[in-house]
Amino acid sequence: LAKTTQPISMDSYEGQEVNITCSHNNIATNDYITWYQQFPSQGPRFIIQGYKTKVTNEVASLFIPADRKSSTLSLPRVSLSDTAVYYCLVGDMDQAGTALIFGKGTILSVSS
Amino acid sequence: GAVVSQHPSWVICKSGTSVKIECRSLDFQATTMFWYRQFPKQSLMLMATSNEGSKATYEQGVEKDKFLINHASLTLSTLTVTSAHPEDSSFYICSALGASGGPSGELFFGEGSRLTVL
Repeated sequence: LAKTTQPISMDSYEGQEVNITCSHNNIATNDYITWYQQFPSQGPRFIIQGYKTKVTNEVASLFIPADRKSSTLSLPRVSLSDTAVYYCLVGDMDQAGTALIFGKGTILSVSS
Repeated sequence: GAVVSQHPSWVICKSGTSVKIECRSLDFQATTMFWYRQFPKQSLMLMATSNEGSKATYEQGVEKDKFLINHASLTLSTLTVTSAHPEDSSFYICSALGASGGPSGELFFGEGSRLTVL
């Protein structure tokens, strides 16, 4: 399973765009990149998933370069409620039984 | 979206007792469920992979006789912490992978269960 590396923490202000980059140099051909958000004492919540290029949904965008060795989660105009831990996970989601291994995650703190 | 529910949300027990935590996929069938443990200010640590109708696969360092996992149906997996001790106090989170008949390619997480052993 590909190992991921993220910044330990990031600080931002309300209304700013936040970009969190994740490195996954050993990503396999069948691996997808998935980002989760976790608030204290809650289970992780799915944010976005992608395989290559760019994916956008109602809450975030995910940018993946051609070599797929890294990915960037982009949160537009963050608010105080976006303060959470963000995890980048890499794995073959279509392979039944494949668990996702969590790295240390990035603690995002949003201030007013 | 798909929902995974855990029960209880929190539990306090005396040392030496056993505690059972349930994980249910509410609107889809999950042939595979995963159990994680999370200590304060740390990341989630995978404990075991639970497959419906077969024995669970435990990660290295996780005692299978202490953390009993049963996945008797496509919508229910249980984790029983046997003879719990204070060091077992943690946040336990289950997750389920969408299988046929449900959303695939996405891992859904339960709300977590906070265990405190006195």
